[in-house]
Amino acid sequence: SAVISQKPSRDICQRGTSLTIQCQVDSQVTMMFWYRQQPGQSLTLIATANQGSEATYESGFVIDKFPISRPNLTFSTLTVSNMSPEDSSIYLCSVEAADSGTYEQYFGPGTRLTVT
Amino acid sequence: AQRVTQPEKLLSVFKGAPVELKCNYSYSGSPELFWYVQYSRQRLQLLLRHISRESIKGFTADLNKGETSFHLKKPFAQEEDSAMYYCALKAGGFKTIFGAGTRLFVKA
Repeated sequence: SAVISQKPSRDICQRGTSLTIQCQVDSQVTMMFWYRQQPGQSLTLIATANQGSEATYESGFVIDKFPISRPNLTFSTLTVSNMSPEDSSIYLCSVEAADSGTYEQYFGPGTRLTVT
Repeated sequence: AQRVTQPEKLLSVFKGAPVELKCNYSYSGSPELFWYVQYSRQRLQLLLRHISRESIKGFTADLNKGETSFHLKKPFAQEEDSAMYYCALKAGGFKTIFGAGTRLFVKA
């Protein structure tokens, strides 16, 4: 299993600024994922982050807007750059970890971002 | 294109009544399907996966490839089942695609 913590848990930011969200896992994992969950909507995958390589972004998401770092097997950051009100969302960190011979996806508590 | 459809945003049932949360998927490969649940003020967690064919908290889900469905069922709903339920499809090995979610409300 894997226990994930995120910082900050919530923030209110002004448009045009940037926020970096941290994700810490209690075990070493290969795959880390960043999702966005906009109000009333489902989870949308932003990017997949592997340690030692550049993140792979999904359609509609670009590195300049959402730069990701993955310095080691237990930590990752997602930056939301040059924020606008449309970036108001819950940002979720997720990992895939082994559990009883199979892989299971675990989620962090989320970071609730409000952009004014 | 890979897609997961949950047609109901909200499902309200009485305690003790049967529950079925619908999920249909679109994927050209061999699908891996999951149900995730998010209880109030808790994080998203895996409920069950089609590969294990198990029953968790009385819930079951059968993969029907002919109908491309993976509906979640429980014969007798309980108040503690009230939560947000997401159907998810694992595509291309690592990427998981989520449906829009169905909020289940079990009335006393």
